[in-house]
Amino acid sequence: AQSVTQPDIHITVSEGASLELRCNYSYGATPYLFWYVQSPGQGLQLLLKYFSGDTLVQGIKGFEAEFKRSQSSFNLRKPSVHWSDAAEYFCAVGPYMEYGNKLVFGAGTILRVKS
Amino acid sequence: DGGITQSPKYLFRKEGQNVTLSCEQNLNHDAMYWYRQDPGQGLRLIYYSQIVNDFQKGDIAEGYSVSREKKESFPLTVTSAQKNPTAFYLCASTPGQPFTDTQYFGPGTRLTVL
Repeated sequence: AQSVTQPDIHITVSEGASLELRCNYSYGATPYLFWYVQSPGQGLQLLLKYFSGDTLVQGIKGFEAEFKRSQSSFNLRKPSVHWSDAAEYFCAVGPYMEYGNKLVFGAGTILRVKS
Repeated sequence: DGGITQSPKYLFRKEGQNVTLSCEQNLNHDAMYWYRQDPGQGLRLIYYSQIVNDFQKGDIAEGYSVSREKKESFPLTVTSAQKNPTAFYLCASTPGQPFTDTQYFGPGTRLTVL
């Protein structure tokens, strides 16, 4: 069964518009939650992470994410998108005991920004 | 500057060849990881190592091998037993607990089978 779901494969937004990337997961307790960003042909960079405390997490580059336990979601948001935000975004969740206490990555969402 | 380096950036392999991908870090991190990335599939864990001279299989270890003789280095060998090796390979490391701490990624190696 899919443990981490990013429902949107591609999203296109206009520069200056707001952005929300969805991440849903199945997990028995409160997991560790991460959002990473990958520019084409590059490695991944951490945007933000959550494991306890305030459910609204601030990250780098103006991104934030909100943990909603009741919805098993950890959606990434940005109020105003810049052309440089065009990249692929990955949600990661764990550790999953059924996967040997490892992280599971979602399939990613490709963000395109139109001017 | 501290970071993770991967070499080469591009690698071409002929059928039946073994190839080795290099991963070096100067972050003084204990844990290191190898992931495979295919379009639309996210990252899949190949191997990971929590300390020197110890490593564990990930989800897709068949056809791959690793070594961890030094803290800084975690090379990955793609053997001829790996039937579909064309992919983007990412190395990562974490300073603390594996899989719950932030992972720091290298720039990746793109392997193509000719």
